[in-house]
Amino acid sequence: NAGVTQTPKFRVLKTGQSMTLLCAQDMNHEYMYWYRQDPGMGLRLIHYSVGEGTTAKGEVPDGYNVSRLKKQNFLLGLESAAPSQTSVYFCASSTWKVQETQYFGPGTRLLVL
Amino acid sequence: RKEVEQDPGPFNVPEGATVAFNCTYSNSASQSFFWYRQDCRKEPKLLMSVYSSGNEDGRFTAQLNRASQYISLLIRDSKLSDSATYLCVVNEGSARQLTFGSGTQLTVLP
Repeated sequence: NAGVTQTPKFRVLKTGQSMTLLCAQDMNHEYMYWYRQDPGMGLRLIHYSVGEGTTAKGEVPDGYNVSRLKKQNFLLGLESAAPSQTSVYFCASSTWKVQETQYFGPGTRLLVL
Repeated sequence: RKEVEQDPGPFNVPEGATVAFNCTYSNSASQSFFWYRQDCRKEPKLLMSVYSSGNEDGRFTAQLNRASQYISLLIRDSKLSDSATYLCVVNEGSARQLTFGSGTQLTVLP
């Protein structure tokens, strides 16, 4: 059981380039999330999805777009990367139950030059 | 004011010591509470959920005080392998969104 996987693990971009981060989960979870983690800031929610075909903004959505065309996948796009988007990106998934926690992927380290 | 605040740390303790972490949250409507552990350059992983009656898992004890909006984690008989960052996490009930504290770094010394 793979749980939550993320692709790629590490990427270097130049300012202005675009890229897509892929998150996949095999636990049949309804909810999926994208976070970024910066030193001293903790994890901050970028976007989330409560089901296939639905997405919503989190705390820091600017500069990012997302799509959830299939229940098991959640894509995070950067249309025009900026150095401020250098961070570690984590994807997570969960069921709809309030008492259930979230399960995280291994993270993607992104460096924007 | 941060929604979830933790002890600033870092905590450096000898093996075998008992260490306690504290956390406060601002949203009284918060519905569920967790402690996560995050190792260096790894993803956060659930350590334990926190229940109103308090709960224990081996050397780890978590307490919740809803009236004071306060959560604690106690680690007894610390091991070298306990060295990590501990994240206090609160679910405010909205679309299952979690709010994370900034974390407290623990180093257990031989």
